[in-house]
Amino acid sequence: DVKVTQSSRYLVKRTGEKVFLECVQDMDHENMFWYRQDPGLGLRLIYFSYDVKMKEKGDIPEGYSVSREKKERFSLILESASTNQTSMYLCASSYPGTGGEQYFGPGTRLTVT
Amino acid sequence: RKEVEQDPGPFNVPEGATVAFNCTYSNSASQSFFWYRQDCRKEPKLLMSVYSSGNEDGRFTAQLNRASQYISLLIRDSKLSDSATYLCVPGGGADGLTFGKGTHLIIQP
Repeated sequence: DVKVTQSSRYLVKRTGEKVFLECVQDMDHENMFWYRQDPGLGLRLIYFSYDVKMKEKGDIPEGYSVSREKKERFSLILESASTNQTSMYLCASSYPGTGGEQYFGPGTRLTVT
Repeated sequence: RKEVEQDPGPFNVPEGATVAFNCTYSNSASQSFFWYRQDCRKEPKLLMSVYSSGNEDGRFTAQLNRASQYISLLIRDSKLSDSATYLCVPGGGADGLTFGKGTHLIIQP
């Protein structure tokens, strides 16, 4: 069974704090993704990576950065958290060439106050 | 990026009935399609993959109409446990996917 884990299920941070969200997958997947999900807006892609040290911007990268130092780990960084970054953050991974067969972690519900 | 449209619902369906909903996509180059299921406050999980004209898995059938650029999901003999949001996703590459906003299905006893 593919397993994607995220460091926290719930997180509360203050405006201006630097926030790290960690994601680890155990299936040796090359591709990893970060999404946020908001009511009425659906899932939106923030960043993705198809190899170690590689990263690509998704649809909404502003205010975020990522790090992929190891194949199994993909971190999302909020450089200076703002209240409009309150959201559910979902990490996913997949093999290359599978098109859309992604496996998601349980999500981190982040609240920025 | 690919555009995807789904009727948000909710679709209220009695248990045991057959229900179908469509998803339209704008990128005619999409070669593969996926249906994900998302339960309330849970992560999306892959339900079905479609690489040709359709796919069937038990009570679930996905059909692709390339000419009209839509993909449908049919659920037969619906169960209470089928209540969820169903997300349509055109696939096709290593980049992140464009998810539809989903169709909310409620199966009523």
